Amino acid sequence: AQSVSQHNHHVILSEAASLELGCNYSYGGTVNLFWYVQYPGQHLQLLLKYFSGDPLVKGIKGFEAEFIKSKFSFNLRKPSVQWSDTAEYFCAVKDGGATNKLIFGTGTLLAVQP
Amino acid sequence: DTAVSQTPKYLVTQMGNDKSIKCEQNLGHDTMYWYKQDSKKFLKIMFSYNNKELIINETVPNRFSPKSPDKAHLNLHINSLELGDSAVYFCASRGELATGELFFGEGSRLTVL
Repeated sequence: AQSVSQHNHHVILSEAASLELGCNYSYGGTVNLFWYVQYPGQHLQLLLKYFSGDPLVKGIKGFEAEFIKSKFSFNLRKPSVQWSDTAEYFCAVKDGGATNKLIFGTGTLLAVQP
Repeated sequence: DTAVSQTPKYLVTQMGNDKSIKCEQNLGHDTMYWYKQDSKKFLKIMFSYNNKELIINETVPNRFSPKSPDKAHLNLHINSLELGDSAVYFCASRGELATGELFFGEGSRLTVL
């Protein structure tokens, strides 16, 4: 079955710093990939998704992610973070089986210091 | 107008009790899910229903029983609650079949004392 790895468990940045969060999935073929964000005390919201086409995907709030098939990666980036970006970030991949379930990574907690 | 709504948002109860969490979506989706988020924020799928039919049942104790009276509702009943059941439970519904994007409810925080 598919699995997702997020290697950064906790990231601390100052405002205006650039962000890159790593995400790797376990096997190839056709994949649908997602980044979700969970602000403190809130539910998960979709930041962006990739399912085909341009491997550089732009999402909300200035986030983008690049799908690199050869590296099984879908890293999240933002050129300049803000204090309001403090949240937990989850990478997810759609499992290719009949159930189409989303498999989530363990999350990365981003803390942005003002 | 909340797309995926769950009740209650908070639930505090004693070990051994039985409790239910309700979920409703007004997005017209056919597929709904329950995810459990533990204290380390790890999200694990529990169940999924497609148009009232169970399609995913991950290795979950049979104390947990989902019920889907219609495709807009997916409720979760938990019998004989244990300390380890304390978590945030998220309901979700699935959008387009092709992309598999999930829309999440606001979560129900269950605390078992």
